[in-house]
Parts: sequence; C-alpha cells; structure tokens
Amino acid sequence: ETGVTQTPRHLVMGMTNKKSLKCEQHLGHNAMYWYKQSAKKPLELMFVYSLEERVENNSVPSRFSPECPNSSHLFLHLHTLQPEDSALYLCASSQASRDRHSPLHFGNGTRLTVT
Amino acid sequence: GNSVTQMEGPVTLSEEAFLTINCTYTATGYPSLFWYVQYPGEGLQLLLKATKADDKGSNKGFEATYRKETTSFHLEKGSVQVSDSAVYFCALNDSGSRLTFGEGTQLTVNP
Repeated sequence: ETGVTQTPRHLVMGMTNKKSLKCEQHLGHNAMYWYKQSAKKPLELMFVYSLEERVENNSVPSRFSPECPNSSHLFLHLHTLQPEDSALYLCASSQASRDRHSPLHFGNGTRLTVT
Repeated sequence: GNSVTQMEGPVTLSEEAFLTINCTYTATGYPSLFWYVQYPGEGLQLLLKATKADDKGSNKGFEATYRKETTSFHLEKGSVQVSDSAVYFCALNDSGSRLTFGEGTQLTVNP
C-alpha cells in the first residue's frame, strides 16, 4: 500500500461506545495530523504530531484522544461522543520542518456517524 | 492571523467551459500557496502549489499564479471536463506545519 490509509472507512457508534480510528502512512513523513470535516464548515485542524510529539491541540474536547506510537501510525480514540461529532475525520501526513513548502498528503477519511 | 477566502459555490459549468475559482489570502509572512481537490468519497489531494511571488503552479490543465500585489491565487482551467467535478480548497502555509484552508468551492461540470 502507498500513501495514507485510514480505517475504518465508515463507523456508526452510539454515544456510550468507545471506538478508535486508525491512520497509517507509507510516505516516510515525520508529521501527522487529524482534521475534522463537517458539512458547510471549514476544515478544522484537531491535532498535530511532529516527530511523535503532540505539537498542537486546538481546543478539542477530551472525548477525542489522539495517540501517535511512531511516525507511521496515528490513532484517534473516541468515547462518549455527541451527535454533533458526526463528520468526516481526515488524517494527513507531511515532512515536518521549518519549510513552509511541504504539502499535506491526506487519507480518504473515516465517515463517523454518532447515533 | 492568517486567513483564506474563496469564491462561494456551488459553481456549475458545462463541459469545455472556462473555469475560474477566486482565492485571496491574508498572511503575516511570505506563505506558500496551495490548491487541493476533493473528489466524492475521498480525502483531499494536492492539485498544485506556488512557493513565491509570481510563481505559477500547474497540473492536469489547472493553473494558478501567486500574486503578491493582490494577495490572490486564483485557480483557472481553460476547458473543464465532467471528471473535474469536485470540491476545490485554497490553502496557505507560512509556518511549517500548519495549513490554513479556505472553505472550499463545489464545482459541478455537466456534459
């Protein structure tokens, strides 16, 4: 496999469930990101990991918990979500540096529905 | 802070029509500028980029020129195809790890 792979593609969960989203990148990048994409809203950056350390957390509720065990893998652990958390969750990776030219490479996302 | 403003959609065109999607930005430094495309059911893909003033990014018949004087990076294509139907995002990066995205413009091309 190449690029950025996200699993599962679709997830339906109740508000009391605990689930995890998984992201894997095969590009040799050292930074990984979680974005939330909701209908009729701009892309929201949730978390940034650079060299396996969390470098950004944009006031995301604690019911979302990221984990980056190594530079190729990123997880988003979910618990006690709300219906308004239903969205497309996108993972991305890049070669982190002070270089502002590095583009992001995105996975195809996990479509999450909270019932 | 940084911001990106895109032309509001949706945009509907006939095949072979000329496309322009406007993008203007506000940034404190000297950002790199990007266009991303999102096809239905997929994540965002980099379409093109430009890293300094007067650079032109191009790919798949799309072009955009980095205009510092007007702080713009408009996306153009001379003849669109049905397969170009997607959502297009303008973005900037002036600090390494963080991209600022516009709200996206939905394009529909009819045969």
